[in-house]
Amino acid sequence: GAGVSQSPRYKVAKRGQDVALRCDPISGHVSLFWYQQALGQGPEFLTYFQNEAQLDKSGLPSDRFFAERPEGSVSTLKIQRTQQEDSAVYLCASSPRQGLEATNEKLFFGSGTQLSVL
Amino acid sequence: SQKIEQNSEALNIQEGKTATLTCNYTNYSPAYLQWYRQDPGRGPVFLLLIRENEKEKRKERLKVTFDTTLKQSLFHITASQPADSATYLCALDRGASKIIFGSGTRLSIRP
Repeated sequence: GAGVSQSPRYKVAKRGQDVALRCDPISGHVSLFWYQQALGQGPEFLTYFQNEAQLDKSGLPSDRFFAERPEGSVSTLKIQRTQQEDSAVYLCASSPRQGLEATNEKLFFGSGTQLSVL
Repeated sequence: SQKIEQNSEALNIQEGKTATLTCNYTNYSPAYLQWYRQDPGRGPVFLLLIRENEKEKRKERLKVTFDTTLKQSLFHITASQPADSATYLCALDRGASKIIFGSGTRLSIRP
């Protein structure tokens, strides 16, 4: 596809349930980011991949959050034992940038997955 | 830690006027500063990028300034139109994962 694709678009989970959110980045993009966006707030960084390597996971709020990108393309963000405070929009972004010191490359975002935990 | 502050209140502008949005940051100066537009239910869309050694950048009706002494960036939309109504996000970029977003400013352009 032409852009970053995220699925599902909406997810309703009962508290304690595990969820998996998928991101299909733009083909050929080396870097992939996950952000969490609460209502009325800006995106908060969760984690960053360069190809299949997870180079920064400092933004993951707890060990219930886990992300992977096993073949360097599609990524999955998994949240175990969901809590109400996990309710937010989860945004995925990709970029052709390479290297931890690479700059000057914009991010291409998907439309996000809106997670509601009841 | 790095903090970013954008106009805390929503901005309401008459069509045709210039809208000016503010982004202030603390601590270190980023290598680059980016501006994004976000519409409801959509992901942010890139607008402009300005380097730390650039004072000003323009693209059509958009202008961004970057003052590393004041630790501030201003984002201007001239001849504003109702279609410019959206949330605008500034993002500090020091490379790769170090892209930190502000909370955004909601801009409304009334006809």
